[in-house]
Amino acid sequence: DAGVIQSPRHEVTEMGQEVTLRCKPISGHDYLFWYRQTMMRGLELLIYFNNNVPIDDSGMPEDRFSAKMPNASFSTLKIQPSEPRDSAVYFCASSRGLGYNEQFFGPGTRLTVL
Amino acid sequence: QQQVKQSPQSLIVQKGGISIINCAYENTAFDYFPWYQQFPGKGPALLIAIRPDVSEKKEGRFTISFNKSAKQFSLHIMDSQPGDSATYFCAASMDSSYKLIFGSGTRLLVRP
Repeated sequence: DAGVIQSPRHEVTEMGQEVTLRCKPISGHDYLFWYRQTMMRGLELLIYFNNNVPIDDSGMPEDRFSAKMPNASFSTLKIQPSEPRDSAVYFCASSRGLGYNEQFFGPGTRLTVL
Repeated sequence: QQQVKQSPQSLIVQKGGISIINCAYENTAFDYFPWYQQFPGKGPALLIAIRPDVSEKKEGRFTISFNKSAKQFSLHIMDSQPGDSATYFCAASMDSSYKLIFGSGTRLLVRP
């Protein structure tokens, strides 16, 4: 398996623009997670899905952030409008089943908002 | 109560030495404690994990020590190698919740 795939790997945009990050989880995994990593706040869980349904979005910072999972093989995280403080590395991760199952992380998208 | 506190923030060890990273938690409902390793430009990857029914788990050069009464756990890297240079994150979760709560990370540098 190719692992979790994220695109783009790098994104540079200007404040106010819409940004869409994409994720393809590992086939057969039924949980998908979006994380944000910054120096100041570390790794933060933004939202996670089970069988394409959002389960917990309490980590989404504000209404400018939205996430969707239209099918088992694709998810998006959208920021509209983007702000400089959104600059971070965004990771997608997936896992299979409940309990103590390993989360497999993608390579991340480094977002810079100017 | 949901926090996991990790120390030190950074660590420099000579090749062949022992690297020790510590984590502490408050929520006694946590029952799964994984460690993730992250290399620059990569996503975190599971290194080793422990449940509180054991006090120690060893996989190769990596050992987790767990102290349930003190609500602390630590990662020991024996015979540290330059290839171990990475950022290490401890984490915790409850079986009833799929959320992993991550520590702040420790940047380890192993000098040749």
